[in-house]
Amino acid sequence: AQRVTQPEKLLSVFKGAPVELKCNYSYSGSPELFWYVQYSRQRLQLLLRHISRESIKGFTADLNKGETSFHLKKPFAQEEDSAMYYCALKETSGSRLTFGEGTQLTVNP
Amino acid sequence: NAGVMQNPRHLVRRRGQEARLRCSPMKGHSHVYWYRQLPEEGLKFMVYLQKENIIDESGMPKERFSAEFPKEGPSILRIQQVVRGDSAAYFCASSPGLAAYEQYFGPGTRLTVT
Repeated sequence: AQRVTQPEKLLSVFKGAPVELKCNYSYSGSPELFWYVQYSRQRLQLLLRHISRESIKGFTADLNKGETSFHLKKPFAQEEDSAMYYCALKETSGSRLTFGEGTQLTVNP
Repeated sequence: NAGVMQNPRHLVRRRGQEARLRCSPMKGHSHVYWYRQLPEEGLKFMVYLQKENIIDESGMPKERFSAEFPKEGPSILRIQQVVRGDSAAYFCASSPGLAAYEQYFGPGTRLTVT
């Protein structure tokens, strides 16, 4: 069965520092990977997907099939990046999402 | 577009009562997903519905839980004879179709069973 692991429940960095949120997955097929974000008092929303290979709000994520990882990175964190981040996997043939447990990112001034 | 709507936002039930959670998808969306988030855990898939059809219910507990998405009106997640372990946040998401990659989430319903 597919599984998504986010090893860090909490991550704290200072403004301007690089940040990396880790995500590892297990899935026998070719998955589609996503990062969702939930800012304080807001609903969960899509941040980026691996297929688009774009940078959103300065964040990028590269799918590494050899390491089965999809880490989220930003070179210079901002205070407004403080939020809960979820890595999610969608199976090739289905629609449902399998989520990791989430990482609470805090960017300190 | 008001986005995905869920009500109630908070629901308190005593053990043994029934809980009904409603989800109105975004305008134009015909696919609805329900997820449950237990304390300190990530979201777990429960069920995927299209209008009048259950497509995938592999994440639904075998007993007491049911879901529907009628031709008219919101999708309903129904929990009969609630127990303390049902206390969780229940999220609904919608998408316009099977090929759509993005799911749009509602604000969630927080169920507390006393």
